[in-house]
Amino acid sequence: QSVLTQPPSASGTPGQRVTISCSRSSSNIGSNYVYWYQQLPGTAPKLLIYRNNQRPSGVPDRFSGSKSGTSASLAISGLRSEDEADYYCAAWDDSLSGRVVFGGGTKLTVL
Amino acid sequence: QVQLVESGGGVVQPGGSLRLSCAASGFTFSSYGMHWVRQTPGKGLDWVAFIRYDGSNKYYADSVKGRFSISRDNSKNTLYLQMNSLRAEDTAVYYCAKGYSDYDLPYFDYWGQGTLVTVSS
Repeated sequence: QSVLTQPPSASGTPGQRVTISCSRSSSNIGSNYVYWYQQLPGTAPKLLIYRNNQRPSGVPDRFSGSKSGTSASLAISGLRSEDEADYYCAAWDDSLSGRVVFGGGTKLTVL
Repeated sequence: QVQLVESGGGVVQPGGSLRLSCAASGFTFSSYGMHWVRQTPGKGLDWVAFIRYDGSNKYYADSVKGRFSISRDNSKNTLYLQMNSLRAEDTAVYYCAKGYSDYDLPYFDYWGQGTLVTVSS
């Protein structure tokens, strides 16, 4: 079981706003930053959000990230069919010698 | 442009060994930390290991510690993953990924296309 918990699925209709949550179950992650990745079918993951709410250049502002307490969220506004993908959160875990941890992933379906 | 090309995947028996390579181009390889991340077909992402730009620091997932070894040759712009004592649960597509910064270790800004490792008798 991952120390970052995501819902396995989410869905929305074109134009809607959807959010995907990422809950931390380990105090070793504490206040560490959360990162979000999008993986389209058959491709490698792509970074969408870093340091909780920062967008790399080239990522549309339809994608936004937030953090509150032990949870983080990815919001996608103006949903498009091309947003149908798997989404993963990630963070650094300070336990023992340190490691990167991923959430289990959320499959987003655009209805 | 940044390119990461993995090679070395294949079918190996349980208990066997395999070495993956990742040839990097389009950036100053010797200035960046590098990662291996794997993904079991149809499943989620699983971080494997990280090596600092100069090889001075390495981190491993608990599931591979003592069996896998990450290394790099900055003169050849190549990252490696030596995998020993392989198990069925190591079956996955293995991606190499470029790290953005040592202060943002979960920040992977470029990924390779992946190489498939299948552990089966």
